[in-house]
Amino acid sequence: EVQLVESGGGLVQPGGSLRLSCAASGFTFSDHYMDWVRQAPGKGLEWVGRTRNKANSYTAEYAASVKGRFTISRDDSKNSLYLQMNSLKTEDTAVYYCARDGSGGNFRFDYWGQGTLVTVSS
Amino acid sequence: DIQLTQSPSSLSASVGDRVTITCRASQSIGGYLNWYQQKPGKAPKLLIYAASSLRSGVPSRFSGSGSGTDFTLTISSLQPEDFATFYCQQSYTLSTFGGGTKVEIK
Repeated sequence: EVQLVESGGGLVQPGGSLRLSCAASGFTFSDHYMDWVRQAPGKGLEWVGRTRNKANSYTAEYAASVKGRFTISRDDSKNSLYLQMNSLKTEDTAVYYCARDGSGGNFRFDYWGQGTLVTVSS
Repeated sequence: DIQLTQSPSSLSASVGDRVTITCRASQSIGGYLNWYQQKPGKAPKLLIYAASSLRSGVPSRFSGSGSGTDFTLTISSLQPEDFATFYCQQSYTLSTFGGGTKVEIK
């Protein structure tokens, strides 16, 4: 059974940093592109970014709203995905989901974690 | 950036109704359009990919159509478990989501 479990959310002050993790199981993690998607309270979904797989050099892409502040990485030996968030703003407050791309790059998110809440507030 | 506009933003319907949700892209995206369902407090679930392909395990009352800039998600006969918010997503250039359509009980 495919499982994605996020952790690391919490309360952080504006300008602060936080690192989220996503532990994957039930599939060959190293084969897949992996993404982060967020949802502000009461709002819609926003794609945050992705890391490609080893075959595609682990390259990353980011939404304009987080580029230069957020960094996505992965450790295939630990079946884990990470989101390093720096220079956090109040508008980054959201539930952050990790998601598996089941289509080899076409952003078809076939499995999602349960989400972890990040609150940016003083 | 490619923008996706969903309409309506919300609707009220009864069990058994046929429901249609529209998603319009700001530029042509071919068939690079997916649909998700999200229930309160839960992660989204993939329903339809590549505009019209039904994900395995998703009930056949869900269908998708369209190409280019105009897409639709149709629920042929609304069931109690279908009350949720639905999102379209483009994957032509990176990814963006539509604003969502909340389907409520009439």
